Amino acid sequence: AQKVTQAQTEISVVEKEDVTLDCVYETRDTTYYLFWYKQPPSGELVFLIRRNSFDEQNEISGRYSWNFQKSTSSFNFTITASQVVDSAVYFCALSGWGAQKLVFGQGTRLTINP
Amino acid sequence: NAGVTQTPKFQVLKTGQSMTLQCAQDMNHEYMSWYRQDPGMGLRLIHYSVGAGITDQGEVPNGYNVSRSTTEDFPLRLLSAAPSQTSVYFCASSYFPRDSVRTDTQYFGPGTRLTVL
Repeated sequence: AQKVTQAQTEISVVEKEDVTLDCVYETRDTTYYLFWYKQPPSGELVFLIRRNSFDEQNEISGRYSWNFQKSTSSFNFTITASQVVDSAVYFCALSGWGAQKLVFGQGTRLTINP
Repeated sequence: NAGVTQTPKFQVLKTGQSMTLQCAQDMNHEYMSWYRQDPGMGLRLIHYSVGAGITDQGEVPNGYNVSRSTTEDFPLRLLSAAPSQTSVYFCASSYFPRDSVRTDTQYFGPGTRLTVL
């Protein structure tokens, strides 16, 4: 069975600090996909990134970066120089081939204080 | 494109009542799914469909029915609402891959907040 664990339930930091959200996954599939979604206070789910299991390159997008390590089954998300607008619940998710049936972690509520 | 739309945004039901949550997408996506979000549990898959006329159960299907008569619409029916079905419901859609590498991201609707008293 597939499983995603986000051990950090809540994180609170001061603006401009760097913050890393942890994601650990379990799967027996050789091909799988990992995702991060953001859920701001307004409630919608915003897609941030998708990673394939056969591509371990780290990715950077502006202040966001992702570290995918198959050896530790982790897909961590770092926000550099955090801003108040980054305050949200962040979900890590996993799926098998086709990226259809998503298994979500419990989510991490991130609060950025001014 | 409107993307994925859901109606209603909010709904209050009494135990035993039935209702249908509507979901529509205008992106010609084959794959559609319903998730529920409960505090501390992330999102869990209720039902999904890989095309018109084809549906299957997800992780938490009990108490819900679905059908897919068109590519665009995927309604979720609560037959006899129970307080345990109080949740936020999200519909999602994506293309369905036809080969070993093609995939696509699921796009989520804005959600329906349901309270069952």
